[in-house]
Amino acid sequence: TQLLEQSPQFLSIQEGENLTVYCNSSSVFSSLQWYRQEPGEGPVLLVTVVTGGEVKKLKRLTFQFGDARKDSSLHITAAQPGDTGLYLCAGKLGTDKLIFGTGTRLQVFP
Amino acid sequence: GAVVSQHPSRVICKSGTSVKIECRSLDFQATTMFWYRQFPKQSLMLMATSNEGSKATYEQGVEKDKFLINHASLTLSTLTVTSAHPEDSSFYICSARDTYEQFFGPGTRLTVL
Repeated sequence: TQLLEQSPQFLSIQEGENLTVYCNSSSVFSSLQWYRQEPGEGPVLLVTVVTGGEVKKLKRLTFQFGDARKDSSLHITAAQPGDTGLYLCAGKLGTDKLIFGTGTRLQVFP
Repeated sequence: GAVVSQHPSRVICKSGTSVKIECRSLDFQATTMFWYRQFPKQSLMLMATSNEGSKATYEQGVEKDKFLINHASLTLSTLTVTSAHPEDSSFYICSARDTYEQFFGPGTRLTVL
């Protein structure tokens, strides 16, 4: 059973469009992280959110942690081909395990 | 940021052989290291958590006798896939944690023929 479900699973858009990726769970996490992974490489951390309701911005990326710390969203404004990749949310259970979501594969066409 | 390395980056082996993958934290000491497995077009699945000097804790469904983990020092953890079979072919990623953050290695692509 996957604790963290991401939607959509796949997303193909044109350059300049906006998009939102969702990460949902029935579990409460002490923190939640978003990663981007390129083929054949390890995941790279984008952001960590800790407080329920927290919103963080990283250039064109906006991350939000749900009030109950069970869900999160990633919004990308004016997507670019360089944003192409696998986006993974990951929730921390307690102080130890980091559990990854099912992943969202994004393709941005020029 | 902190750097985690893995060796080898790619390995191809025959069915029935054992393969060892090394994970090193290059510029920090990691009391805890994690091993993940990622099948094509899927997410990362946690296999086990290892603490320096103690036995690894395996996730449900992961065979501890098949995936041997040794965390002998604060900068090195090894994963040995014993008697590898084609279904063990996967992308294996390690992660090392310092006090506050978890850092990921570049992964090792294992192909079992």
